Amino acid sequence: SQELEQSPQSLIVQEGKNLTINCTSSKTLYGLYWYKQKYGEGLIFLMMLQKGGEEKSHEKITAKLDEKKQQSSLHITASQPSHAGIYLCGAGASHGSGNTGKLIFGQGTTLQVKP
Amino acid sequence: EAEVAQSPRYKITEKSQAVAFWCDPISGHATLYWYRQILGQGPELLVQFQDESVVDDSQLPKDRFSAERLKGVDSTLKIQPAELGDSAMYLCASSLGTSGKETQYFGPGTRLLVL
Repeated sequence: SQELEQSPQSLIVQEGKNLTINCTSSKTLYGLYWYKQKYGEGLIFLMMLQKGGEEKSHEKITAKLDEKKQQSSLHITASQPSHAGIYLCGAGASHGSGNTGKLIFGQGTTLQVKP
Repeated sequence: EAEVAQSPRYKITEKSQAVAFWCDPISGHATLYWYRQILGQGPELLVQFQDESVVDDSQLPKDRFSAERLKGVDSTLKIQPAELGDSAMYLCASSLGTSGKETQYFGPGTRLLVL
C-alpha cells in the first residue's frame, strides 16, 4: 500500500524566515493535495498538484510536484504567525480496480512561527 | 461560501455507550467521506459514499461502527459500544465526484473522548 512520509515532523522558525516541508511517497503520486489544520479543527484545502513539474502558489505559499511524481514540497516565504499550524499532504489512493478518490495522508508537519 | 457541517463539535462519553455523529456535505457533492484522525497522525478513511451507496468501507470496524447516507445527502456515523481507543477526531469531507481530481473539502470535525 502507498505511504506518505513528511519531513520534518515539526518546525519552529522565527517570523520572516523561509521554510520548506517535504512529502515523499512510496509510489507514483496521482494527485497530491496540501492541507492546513489548526489544532482541534478541520482541514483547510491549500493546493492540488497533478502533473510532474507542476508548481502552484497562493499568497506566500508555493507547492511543487517533482518530475518523477514521488515527492512534493511546500515552501513558505517570509513566514508569519498566521502560518502556524499542522500541514498535511494527501494523495489519491487506488482501491481495487480504480481510483475511488480516497486520500491517504502523511503524518503531518507542525509549524510554529515565533514573533 | 459553502461548507461541510458537522455536529456535535465535541463529545465525551463513557466506554460501552453509543455515540453518533452527523455530517451535512456541501450542496451538490455526491461523494462523502468519514475519516478518523488520531492525535499526531494524518486522517485515515473509515467509509466513503457515492450518493447513498458505500464505495469503500474496508477500514471501518464493522463490529461496532456503522454509517449511513439514506437519501444521499447528509450522513450519520455511529459507534456502539464505544471503546477507549475510539478517542479521536472524526472528520467528514465531501467532493463533487470520485475521479481523483476533485478536491475534498473538510468539515470542522467532531472530537470524541471516551472515558
